[in-house]
Amino acid sequence: AQSVTQLGSHVSVSEGALVLLRCNYSSSVPPYLFWYVQYPNQGLQLLLKYTTGATLVKGINGFEAEFKKSETSFHLTKPSAHMSDAAEYFCAVSRSGGSYIPTFGRGTSLIVHP
Amino acid sequence: NAGVTQTPKFQVLKTGQSMTLQCAQDMNHEYMSWYRQDPGMGLRLIHYSVGAGITDQGEVPNGYNVSRSTTEDFPLRLLSAAPSQTSVYFCASSPLLARFDNEQFFGPGTRLTVL
Repeated sequence: AQSVTQLGSHVSVSEGALVLLRCNYSSSVPPYLFWYVQYPNQGLQLLLKYTTGATLVKGINGFEAEFKKSETSFHLTKPSAHMSDAAEYFCAVSRSGGSYIPTFGRGTSLIVHP
Repeated sequence: NAGVTQTPKFQVLKTGQSMTLQCAQDMNHEYMSWYRQDPGMGLRLIHYSVGAGITDQGEVPNGYNVSRSTTEDFPLRLLSAAPSQTSVYFCASSPLLARFDNEQFFGPGTRLTVL
């Protein structure tokens, strides 16, 4: 079975500071990995995804994530946080263990202080 | 395209009442699913469908029924609502389940309270 662990249910940063949201997965086969963002009172939308090829993936709004197979990680980063980045972020994995259905992590709430 | 639409946006039920949450997509997606989102629990899969006439259970199916008579619609039925079903419900779709790299498209959610 595939699984995703997001470390930290809440992450608090100051505006302009580095954002780092952690995601680790378990997999018996090369996974496909996703980050979704959920703004208040909205549904989820895709930030970025890793399938094959380049391990550093760039997404929308200045976010990027790096697939590290040796660490089974797919951490999300942004060099400089903006107030508008305050949202819930979900990491998801598919293909791991042969399941087509994506598995979502429990989410990390990003709080941005002025 | 409207994408994935859900109705209603908000609903309050009394214990034991029944209701149907509506979900529709206009992208001709084969795969549709229902999730519930609870604080600290993330998204949990309730039911999913890989095409018209085909449905299957997810992680937390008890207390919910689904059907898929058309490609576009995937309603979720609560036959006898319980307070434990108080949650935010999201419908999602994707073009083809048999592609691991498919993005999921989410609706705006239905916030349900059961008293």
